Amino acid sequence: GQQVMQIPQYQHVQEGEDFTTYCNSSTTLSNIQWYKQRPGGHPVFLIQLVKSGEVKKQKRLTFQFGEAKKNSSLHITATQTTDVGTYFCARRYGGATNKLIFGTGTLLAVQP
Amino acid sequence: NAGVMQNPRHLVRRRGQEARLRCSPMKGHSHVYWYRQLPEEGLKFMVYLQKENIIDESGMPKERFSAEFPKEGPSILRIQQVVRGDSAAYFCASSPSGGSNQPQHFGDGTRLSIL
Repeated sequence: GQQVMQIPQYQHVQEGEDFTTYCNSSTTLSNIQWYKQRPGGHPVFLIQLVKSGEVKKQKRLTFQFGEAKKNSSLHITATQTTDVGTYFCARRYGGATNKLIFGTGTLLAVQP
Repeated sequence: NAGVMQNPRHLVRRRGQEARLRCSPMKGHSHVYWYRQLPEEGLKFMVYLQKENIIDESGMPKERFSAEFPKEGPSILRIQQVVRGDSAAYFCASSPSGGSNQPQHFGDGTRLSIL
């Protein structure tokens, strides 16, 4: 019940095309966080969503939290080569621990 | 305004040796988390510590692995008698508190290779 699934595992797009990754959980999430990891790099926090149906934007990135708080998506408009990397969603486990359960990740490749 | 500092960046050990990975959290952060990332996989939680306390070690293997976060100095992840399967990237993250809405800030990681 802890696992967070992401699809697709891998996406290859032409520069300028849009990209979306989806995160799904079988249980209700208290919040969802999104991280980006460049090849050879470390995860970098992008955003956190906490409210049902919440939508947040960061320039070309749009993050959504589902009404039932069981899924989330990250959409990138007009991808650029700098968007290359793996995008992870992560859920906080809950209780006394603040540990994160990471999704399986979506690797984005952008062809110039 | 240093971020989370991990050292070494790369560590090579032979089977049976010990590996010590260090993590200094961001200034003002008292909560430290260790994650392991196997090649081509996501991050898996290992342990969550506050100063001098282990809060959650549910992701730590039962044997050979230990972690500490002393009152003074960095957090240490220690792996005894390393095996090939321990080869991975080990990331440390920190947050100012254990609050549910606190993002975690990651270090650059230690890439551990076992010969």
